Amino acid sequence: QFVLTQPPSASGTPGQRVTISCSGTSSNIGNNLVVWYQQLPGTAPKLLIHSKNERPSGVPDRFSGSKSGTSASLAITGLQSGDEAAYYCATWDDSLKEVIFGGGTQLTVL
Amino acid sequence: QVQLVQSGPEVKKPGASVKVSCKASGYTFTSYGIWWVRQAPGQSLEWMGWIHPGNGYTKHSEKFQGRVTITRDTFASTAYMELSSLTYEDTAMYYCSRIILSTVDSDYWGQGTLVTVSS
Repeated sequence: QFVLTQPPSASGTPGQRVTISCSGTSSNIGNNLVVWYQQLPGTAPKLLIHSKNERPSGVPDRFSGSKSGTSASLAITGLQSGDEAAYYCATWDDSLKEVIFGGGTQLTVL
Repeated sequence: QVQLVQSGPEVKKPGASVKVSCKASGYTFTSYGIWWVRQAPGQSLEWMGWIHPGNGYTKHSEKFQGRVTITRDTFASTAYMELSSLTYEDTAMYYCSRIILSTVDSDYWGQGTLVTVSS
């Protein structure tokens, strides 16, 4: 259904490391920069990893992004209860000529 | 500080139109783009389109072809999104956000405007 495929859910215990994947194609992730957004319950999305694969000011270095070929990943280390949120990848699609979002991954801290 | 303040919640009947405003402050309005993104209840984010306030250029998702109009008033530092021919499926939270030009980096977001389509 979504051009960018994310697992619908992920989980981990406090202190653990979790990764969230985002799979695309050569017309999107394969040829464009990827960003990640965090959406805490009941709030607007927040830019977590910007297109230079760096963190905006205020985002802890526990969050990091990477890309390889047509896939991207968000890694969160030292998991905290406050990290419970939905995470979305986004990029430009050269074929659709528009911005596309992944379906989102709901992260649960057990 | 950068702020994007959106207009209040709306309740519309099917077939009607809705216009949501997004007032920017704390930065040079014409130096950044404005995205419009919506989120149906319990669903993912959906990009609707964007505008370059500096020159008025707009681009919208093909999904909303013919139904969405994005405009701006540079004197009021305000962007607008109008969606017509509303259906129940248009019930969603609508967000505006500031976009760094030539990127997909949306660094500031409005608080969201809930649009409910109900008979």
